[in-house]
Amino acid sequence: GAGVSQSPSNKVTEKGKDVELRCDPISGHTALYWYRQSLGQGLEFLIYFQGNSAPDKSGLPSDRFSAERTGGSVSTLTIQRTQQEDSAVYLCASSLTEYEKLFFGSGTQLSVL
Amino acid sequence: AQSVTQLDSQVPVFEEAPVELRCNYSSSVSVYLFWYVQYPNQGLQLLLKYLSGSTLVKGINGFEAEFNKRQTSFHLRKPSVHISDTAEYFCAVSDDTGRRALTFGSGTRLQVQP
Repeated sequence: GAGVSQSPSNKVTEKGKDVELRCDPISGHTALYWYRQSLGQGLEFLIYFQGNSAPDKSGLPSDRFSAERTGGSVSTLTIQRTQQEDSAVYLCASSLTEYEKLFFGSGTQLSVL
Repeated sequence: AQSVTQLDSQVPVFEEAPVELRCNYSSSVSVYLFWYVQYPNQGLQLLLKYLSGSTLVKGINGFEAEFNKRQTSFHLRKPSVHISDTAEYFCAVSDDTGRRALTFGSGTRLQVQP
């Protein structure tokens, strides 16, 4: 596609449920990033992929969070046993190579009730 | 570890007035600096970046920023703003230690009034 695509755009879930967020990067972009944006906060780094491997996952807040990337393309961010504090906009970005301009998706608004 | 501080959470300004959005960073190594903009209901997009070379960097939409290593700052400026510049502006920093991800500031909301 022309840009970074994220789905769903909105997700409402109950506390304790698992959720899966999807990111489709721009074709050919080797680097993929997940960030989280909470209300009134900046962007919090979660995890970075180069190809299918994740050299930096230092931002994942707990072991309830995991992510994978397959085929050097699509990535999924999984949150298990969601908590209310997980409510935020989850942003995905991709870039052609490291240090290149990041292209961001529109995000997934996650609301945990 | 690196960090970014955007001191102003909101900056109201009248149309055609100049504006400066402040950004200070903290890092023990050489840095790369970025400004991203998020227009209402849109995704973030790159305004400008400093990797090396001239410390005055020009970006899109008439914005520019100056890297000041001594003051560890990367303030964003525009000599005359438009209503359409109303958006959230994020300063970000990366370095060459091997950690590739950008560290973002908390953002500054620029509100341009007629």
